[in-house]
Formats: sequence, C-alpha cells, structure tokens
Amino acid sequence: DIQMTQSPSSLSASVGDRVTITCRASRGISNSLAWYQQKPGKAPKLLLYAASRLESGVPSRFSGSGSGPDYTLTISSLQPEDFATYYCQQYYSTPPLTFGGGTKVEIK
Amino acid sequence: EVQLVESGGGLVQPGGSLRLSCAASGFTFSSYWMSWVRQAPGKGLEWVANIKQDGSEKYYVDSVKGRFTISRDNAKNSLYLQMNSLRAEDTAVYYCARAPLYGSGSYLDYWGQGTLVTVSS
Repeated sequence: DIQMTQSPSSLSASVGDRVTITCRASRGISNSLAWYQQKPGKAPKLLLYAASRLESGVPSRFSGSGSGPDYTLTISSLQPEDFATYYCQQYYSTPPLTFGGGTKVEIK
Repeated sequence: EVQLVESGGGLVQPGGSLRLSCAASGFTFSSYWMSWVRQAPGKGLEWVANIKQDGSEKYYVDSVKGRFTISRDNAKNSLYLQMNSLRAEDTAVYYCARAPLYGSGSYLDYWGQGTLVTVSS
C-alpha cells in the first residue's frame, strides 16, 4: 500500500498569507493526487486532481504542483473561508485509495 | 445537480450489524464507480470500499474485509454498505462518494453529507 504523509499537521496563518502544504507518497504516484478541503461537520470538497488541475468552481488562489512522490498545495492569499482541514489522496496504486493525515489551517 | 444522501446510521452494539444506504441523483449512477469513505471522530479520512459500475468488482480496506459488503442497485440509483460484526473502531461518519475516473483508482468528486455509525454497548 502507498502511504501518504502530510506536513505540517497544523499551521497558523493570517488572512492574506501564502500557505503551502506538502504531501509525500511512499513511492512515486505519477501525479495521481487529489486535494480536498473539509470544514467542521461537513463533507470533504474536492479542490484539485491530477496534482494540479483545479476542480470546477474552485478559486484560482488554490494551486497544486509536484511530481514523483512529492506534492504541494498552495493557497496564494489565504481568505477567511479557507480556514479548514486539507487532505491529499493518491489514486495511482489501488486498492486501497489512501489519504494523508490532514493539515489543519487555523487563524493566527 | 449531483446529490448523494446517506442514511441508515445509528447506535449499534459491538458484534451487531447495520446497513447503510446512499441515494444518488442528478447523474447517471450506473456509469460511475462508487466508494464509501469513513472518518472516526476527530480523525482523518479512511477509504473503506468501492464498487464498479455493474457491481462485478469490489474492493475493501483490509480492516473490513470479511465483515463489510458493498453493493449497488442501479435501478434504484442506490449504493449500500452492509456492516456485520461491528467493532468499536468502526465508529465513524460514513460518506458515500462518486469516482469520476474509470477503474478502481480515482479521486472522489462528489460526497454525501455522511451518516454517523456509533458502535458501543
């Protein structure tokens, strides 16, 4: 199974900050990576897939990059509605689909 | 509008059974792989199982193999998860989700609101 490791597990940031979250797979996953946003009590929401492709309706301040086993999610200018927990997920080698442990973005 | 609505959660004793349902609308249900994903209280996301469009392929996370069964009824646009021999560690919110890519490996583009399963005596 491919293990997904996210870092940091939490971070504090201010509105307007640039935020970067990292996801590392236990081996190369050929850009088969998705990012989700989850707010308390709500279902996860797809932000990006194929490492860098923005899901329809997602603001352009969200972007993704990476290759091999290493990927990043960047929020270019953090907005109040972006405070949430973010998860990566690989779909290169399945089953199982595997998620990272999550990164909680909190208000500084 | 794509909608996924789970139901069937509740409180069950260890060793008991529960059947979750997910009603799909707003898309051609029979054209998509579907998944169940769960989230224990205060924890991260864990994929549980998925099923091919026609039900001919099913996959499970190791921790539920032999206890859980995923199924679907395309005529009713519904996805199911039969959960037997439930354990305390199965306590979680269970989400159904749509997989837009062909094949067992996909991201999940639409999710239901979730249904809570609590396993406790």
